Amino acid sequence: SQKIEQNSEALNIQEGKTATLTCNYTNYSPAYLQWYRQDPGRGPVFLLLIRENEKEKRKERLKVTFDTTLKQSLFHITASQPADSATYLCALDDYNAGNNRKLIWGLGTSLAVNP
Amino acid sequence: GAGVSQSPRYKVAKRGQDVALRCDPISGHVSLFWYQQALGQGPEFLTYFQNEAQLDKSGLPSDRFFAERPEGSVSTLKIQRTQQEDSAVYLCASSLVWQEGHDTEAFFGQGTRLTVV
Repeated sequence: SQKIEQNSEALNIQEGKTATLTCNYTNYSPAYLQWYRQDPGRGPVFLLLIRENEKEKRKERLKVTFDTTLKQSLFHITASQPADSATYLCALDDYNAGNNRKLIWGLGTSLAVNP
Repeated sequence: GAGVSQSPRYKVAKRGQDVALRCDPISGHVSLFWYQQALGQGPEFLTYFQNEAQLDKSGLPSDRFFAERPEGSVSTLKIQRTQQEDSAVYLCASSLVWQEGHDTEAFFGQGTRLTVV
């Protein structure tokens, strides 16, 4: 069956360290993979999109890698801050030629950055 | 408004009651999505509109769920004869029309938390 897996355990790190979150998928061949942040009681907020032909993408302190052979994406937050504490969701963009789009989501990984 | 607006923010319904959830997307956004998010889970796709056309409703769990977007802007998700398993947060998202090679992100509302008692 089609599945997306993220770090099952919550991640606790010290301020200033790099947080690394994992997203693995099976039985998909996505053209795009997206990362979102979600705070309690709020909707997800888009962070980064990476295409199948891109190995790595950066935005400020964020870095995403995408390995279509391993079927894995890694999401890094460098110089982490307590304000980075949230749940991070990865989503595969299920786009087809009919312009019919939907996102298939993982369960999310909870990140806590301790001061 | 500047973002996607959903109302009501919270809804408590008695089992068997009908509910209607509203979504005001960002002005000019062609694409509109509804997702259902259970506690501790990722969002699950329900349905997708491009303008007023409902292009995909494969995620609607049963025929008790119905969504519309008659004028291509505001959308309503209706749930008839609510059941306890319908309790979840219902998220609406909108985006510009998909363009190959562009990072077309989806903007989410805060969601409507539905509790069926």
